[in-house]
Amino acid sequence: GAGVSQSPSNKVTEKGKDVELRCDPISGHTALYWYRQSLGQGLEFLIYFQGNSAPDKSGLPSDRFSAERTGGSVSTLTIQRTQQEDSAVYLCASRDRSNQPQHFGDGTRLSIL
Amino acid sequence: ELKVEQNPLFLSMQEGKNYTIYCNYSTTSDRLYWYRQDPGKSLESLFVLLSNGAVKQEGRLMASLDTKARLSTLHITAAVHDLSATYFCAVISTDSWGKLQFGAGTQVVVTP
Repeated sequence: GAGVSQSPSNKVTEKGKDVELRCDPISGHTALYWYRQSLGQGLEFLIYFQGNSAPDKSGLPSDRFSAERTGGSVSTLTIQRTQQEDSAVYLCASRDRSNQPQHFGDGTRLSIL
Repeated sequence: ELKVEQNPLFLSMQEGKNYTIYCNYSTTSDRLYWYRQDPGKSLESLFVLLSNGAVKQEGRLMASLDTKARLSTLHITAAVHDLSATYFCAVISTDSWGKLQFGAGTQVVVTP
C-alpha cells in the first residue's frame, strides 16, 4: 500500500517567514512522529502523536515550532519566523503496533536563506 | 537520558570481506532497530530486535542484540557495492512513548 507521504519535498524560504510541512501517514497508523535530520545534530526527535493528541512534545526546539494532527491522519508541522538554524530535512514517520518499526516518509528539505 | 553510540562512523569495505558495525546504548531498552539510508533518500527499516539474544538475518546482513551488554551488532558478510549506504541503529527507551533515539550513523562505502 501507500507509504508515508510528505509535502513539499523541498522548501526554500527567507529568514523570518513561516512554513508549513505536511505529513500523510500510512492509513490506519495511529502513531505519528516528526524528526529532523541535520549535519550537525544527526537525527532528532521533535514530537509524537497518538491519534490527535501529542503526549510528547519534548523535542520541539523552541516555541516557534508547533504541530497538529487532525482526524487521526494528516499532520502539519509549522515553523514560525524561520531562522537559518532551522535548515534541515524534516522527516515524518508512522507506525502501527508498538513493536513495529516506524515507516518514514521521504522528508521535506527546508532551506532558510 | 538515553544515549546511543555507533562505531565506526565511517567504514570503507572491500568487496567480498566481512565487517561489523557496533551500537551501544546507555539505558534499559528491549527494542532496537536498524535502518538504512541511501544518499538523498529516507530511512528504510532493516531489522527489529525485541529481546535479548535476538538475531535477524536478511541476505548479507545479520543483526543481533545483547540487552545485558546494551549492545547490538550489524554484521556484513562478503560485502558488495549495493550495500554502500549509511546505517543507523535506533533505540526506544522504556518510558519514551516509542520515540527513537538514533545513533550518529555509520557511512559504509564498498569498493572493488
